[in-house]
Amino acid sequence: DAGITQSPRHKVTETGTPVTLRCHQTENHRYMYWYRQDPGHGLRLIHYSYGVKDTDKGEVSDGYSVSRSKTEDFLLTLESATSSQTSVYFCATSGTDRVEPQHFGDGTRLSIL
Amino acid sequence: KQEVTQIPAALSVPEGENLVLNCSFTDSAIYNLQWFRQDPGKGLTSLLLIQSSQREQTSGRLNASLDKSSGRSTLYIAASQPGDSATYLCAANSGGSNYKLTFGKGTLLTVNP
Repeated sequence: DAGITQSPRHKVTETGTPVTLRCHQTENHRYMYWYRQDPGHGLRLIHYSYGVKDTDKGEVSDGYSVSRSKTEDFLLTLESATSSQTSVYFCATSGTDRVEPQHFGDGTRLSIL
Repeated sequence: KQEVTQIPAALSVPEGENLVLNCSFTDSAIYNLQWFRQDPGKGLTSLLLIQSSQREQTSGRLNASLDKSSGRSTLYIAASQPGDSATYLCAANSGGSNYKLTFGKGTLLTVNP
């Protein structure tokens, strides 16, 4: 949907290792978002971006950092992964941050052992 | 803090039945209310968006209503089909921006042939 590609789609790694997830979009959307989805919780916003090099924290940003050097790419980094960061991560985009609904990628399933 | 609740958590119906999914939110000062569909292993797909000034929105066999005063929204699915089987999520937008979305945990719908 909206040309959003997340990579990798699945990843297993160990506690303490750095992990970077990538979101690539081909729609030239200005706004990009990273969410995590966990059983027992709704989707929760981690970080979002409102333009190249413009980012801000969401509800659950501790332990995560993001970067956006190009319109089409939004990276999510776990500097030192912990088991509590095991989750499914979704990237979303929108052309505006108001009325227009977001478009979602298919997610990255991340397991931290 | 906005809280969004979806009841029931799971619903199983025979094909052809009309059904209603419920969404309630605690803070009635919302900008809009969005309904999404999520298929297994996939991201969210936007179904309907209701502005705070609207009472309902329709798309094909789907009709979503909004009652801000009671903090409720419903998604009505007419003549359900097995292809409607998915998880349905609602999200309340409390701040006019997509980074102010609060998601419910979803209702898992199974339509049996």
